[in-house]
Amino acid sequence: AQKVTQAQTEISVVEKEDVTLDCVYETRDTTYYLFWYKQPPSGELVFLIRRNSFDEQNEISGRYSWNFQKSTSSFNFTITASQVVDSAVYFCALSEVTGGTSYGKLTFGQGTILTVHP
Amino acid sequence: NAGVTQTPKFRILKIGQSMTLQCTQDMNHNYMYWYRQDPGMGLKLIYYSVGAGITDKGEVPNGYNVSRSTTEDFPLRLELAAPSQTSVYFCASSYAGNPGETQYFGPGTRLLVL
Repeated sequence: AQKVTQAQTEISVVEKEDVTLDCVYETRDTTYYLFWYKQPPSGELVFLIRRNSFDEQNEISGRYSWNFQKSTSSFNFTITASQVVDSAVYFCALSEVTGGTSYGKLTFGQGTILTVHP
Repeated sequence: NAGVTQTPKFRILKIGQSMTLQCTQDMNHNYMYWYRQDPGMGLKLIYYSVGAGITDKGEVPNGYNVSRSTTEDFPLRLELAAPSQTSVYFCASSYAGNPGETQYFGPGTRLLVL
């Protein structure tokens, strides 16, 4: 069975600090996708990034960057120069192909609460 | 284009009451999903649908029922509400249900069972 672990329950930083959110996953499949979602205090879920199991190229988008390492089954997310507006719950999620089929079902981690203080 | 809409936003139920959480999407998506988010936890899949008339159980289906009579709507039914069903419920949709496809989430329904 697949599993996603976000060991950091809460992180508190001061504005402009860099912060890394950890995500470790378990899956038996060779084909899978990893996602990061953001849930701001308003409650909605906002898609941030997707990465497939064949693409280990790290990505940078503005202040956000992602580090995908299959060798350690990790998909970590870094915010550079954090801002108060980054305060939210961040979820890592996994979607795998089982037996050649997939219905896009997501397995979520427990989430990491990030608080950025001014 | 409203995306995924959910009603109601918030509801208080008494133990044993029933209710239907509504979910509608206007993106012509084939796949729809219901997740629940318990306090301090990640989302867990309750039910999903691959098209009108076709539904299947997710990880935590007990105590819930679903139906999918149209492409647009995917209601979630609670027959006998229990305190353990206190949660935030999210509906989501995607076009083809591919593993790498982005799911679009509704704003959520907060349910309190007392």
